[in-house]
Amino acid sequence: KNEVEQSPQNLTAQEGEFITINCSYSVGISALHWLQQHPGGGIVSLFMLSSGKKKHGRLIATINIQEKHSSLHITASHPRDSAVYICAVLNSGGSNYKLTFGKGTLLTVKP
Amino acid sequence: DSGVTQTPKHLITATGQRVTLRCSPRSGDLSVYWYQQSLDQGLQFLIQYYNGEERAKGNILERFSAQQFPDLHSELNLSSLELGDSALYFCASSVGQEVIDEQYFGPGTRLTVT
Repeated sequence: KNEVEQSPQNLTAQEGEFITINCSYSVGISALHWLQQHPGGGIVSLFMLSSGKKKHGRLIATINIQEKHSSLHITASHPRDSAVYICAVLNSGGSNYKLTFGKGTLLTVKP
Repeated sequence: DSGVTQTPKHLITATGQRVTLRCSPRSGDLSVYWYQQSLDQGLQFLIQYYNGEERAKGNILERFSAQQFPDLHSELNLSSLELGDSALYFCASSVGQEVIDEQYFGPGTRLTVT
């Protein structure tokens, strides 16, 4: 079993829909990172969070440390949101550092 | 445009060869991170440098090495290349040394080993 599991693997939505992408992990973490990878390959860091909730524009990320689960929500989705969304969990302590990535969720938003 | 530059964009080389990938961080950023993305392994963190010093090490092979220079640009050296080293190599930069800092990614270097 992978340490980081994302669901769904693929998601197709209509423009305007509310979208949720889930990330579950099996180890204790220091922080969780959500990334967006565009079809051309470029990567954008969306959120780094260790507790609670963060919001940026139409994107909201939440994390529940006890349940080892994080969600990325997109409100009023748009075709330009089409991308691969990747979560990564960080275990760190001093110079020890382990960053484990999920396999990504491919989101396609149709007009 | 993230402000992080990587050269070259594409690199094709043969097995057994050595290559150097270059990354220039955003102005003011002191940390540089290197990542590898391959079809079978997905994204993997390789190594982080902060202000010239190695800060954290991930899944970096012994055949790979990196350094950060006084002007803060970084180079990733890959030697004795194997077919499995074919991948996209990204660098990212951040202001501080903590991984929890927001990272800005470069466009990547696509390495093909034949």
